[in-house]
Amino acid sequence: SQELEQSPQSLIVQEGKNLTINCTSSKTLYGLYWYKQKYGEGLIFLMMLQKGGEEKSHEKITAKLDEKKQQSSLHITASQPSHAGIYLCGADSNTDKLIFGTGTRLQVFP
Amino acid sequence: DTGVSQDPRHKITKRGQNVTFRCDPISEHNRLYWYRQTLGQGPEFLTYFQNEAQLEKSRLLSDRFSAERPKGSFSTLEIQRTEQGDSAMYLCASSPPGREKLFFGSGTQLSVL
Repeated sequence: SQELEQSPQSLIVQEGKNLTINCTSSKTLYGLYWYKQKYGEGLIFLMMLQKGGEEKSHEKITAKLDEKKQQSSLHITASQPSHAGIYLCGADSNTDKLIFGTGTRLQVFP
Repeated sequence: DTGVSQDPRHKITKRGQNVTFRCDPISEHNRLYWYRQTLGQGPEFLTYFQNEAQLEKSRLLSDRFSAERPKGSFSTLEIQRTEQGDSAMYLCASSPPGREKLFFGSGTQLSVL
């Protein structure tokens, strides 16, 4: 079965700093989804990547999928307190469902 | 688009009791998913429906768990004879046909005492 590993598990950064979260799959990805979750709430969709080498940006967040479609990174530029939360990557392995990683907990302090 | 709605938001129950959760997906979405999330972990897949048909169930879904989607619209997840290990956030998600993103509800937080 497919597994997703996220790193780091937690991250504490000062406001204004850049940061990167990684997601590695044990199998080739048909699609990679990034979600954000506030504590005790549901998941909010951020971005979806499907093609090897694809890169997407929204506001200060950029996500990339490597050429082999087994690794993705999420980069936040000039972090703000509003970026705090749990970031989850989800894998589409052509099984009609998403498998999620364990998440990266981000804290941003002033 | 009113989003995915889950009810209740919180449920506290005693061990051995039965509980039922409801999920109302986005109206035009034919796929509906149930996930379970415990503290510090990512969501774990439980089951999913395409219209009213339950197409896949995880081995995590023991005999005490049952899910239905009788008319291909809302879904219910029932847990019988709850155990303390059932304490978790139960998340519902829906999606349109094809390889599309999942839209999640706010979840139902279950605490079994």
